[in-house]
Amino acid sequence: GQNIDQPTEMTATEGAIVQINCTYQTSGFNGLFWYQQHAGEAPTFLSYNVLDGLEEKGRFSSFLSRSKGYSYLLLKELQMKDSASYLCAVRTDKLIFGTGTRLQVFP
Amino acid sequence: ETGVTQTPRHLVMGMTNKKSLKCEQHLGHNAMYWYKQSAKKPLELMFVYNFKEQTENNSVPSRFSPECPNSSHLFLHLHTLQPEDSALYLCASSQVQSSYNSPLHFGNGTRLTVT
Repeated sequence: GQNIDQPTEMTATEGAIVQINCTYQTSGFNGLFWYQQHAGEAPTFLSYNVLDGLEEKGRFSSFLSRSKGYSYLLLKELQMKDSASYLCAVRTDKLIFGTGTRLQVFP
Repeated sequence: ETGVTQTPRHLVMGMTNKKSLKCEQHLGHNAMYWYKQSAKKPLELMFVYNFKEQTENNSVPSRFSPECPNSSHLFLHLHTLQPEDSALYLCASSQVQSSYNSPLHFGNGTRLTVT
């Protein structure tokens, strides 16, 4: 079967660092995506990993370990506007989404 | 502005009504998708169109009927829906589906309530 697990909710403080984990068990793997979705808005693309290691994009970084079926999204210097849901998605022959992690950033 | 526009943003309909959701993409993409997003559930893929041809129907009930007249427009026709069909319906587009690293670009969705 196909299974993608993420924590349901996380909280953090403005200026801090937060790590959102994603574990997956899928038949086939052609890369892993992270999306950000603010309430009432479209999910927007953040990152794509297909090889092991860390990809850095400004305040956001994404890590992948294919052997462990594990990824994380690292958000640094948190801002209030980072309060959103973060969706992990694995591409097999189709794109399979996790349930998303709702992050709340407090002042 | 995401480049993918969905109308209407909100829709309330009775179980006997017929309505349509519309999606238009301005990104020059050639694949379009319908997803259903319900509370506390993963995004569920409903339909995929590549170059206007339907390539996937993910066991969706026949009360949902997609239409793709060209690569830029996608419709979802709704009839005799059930209350459990209430959800956020998201349209997305991408370059050819077979490009693994090609991200999806989503619209803001239509919030559907079936009464």
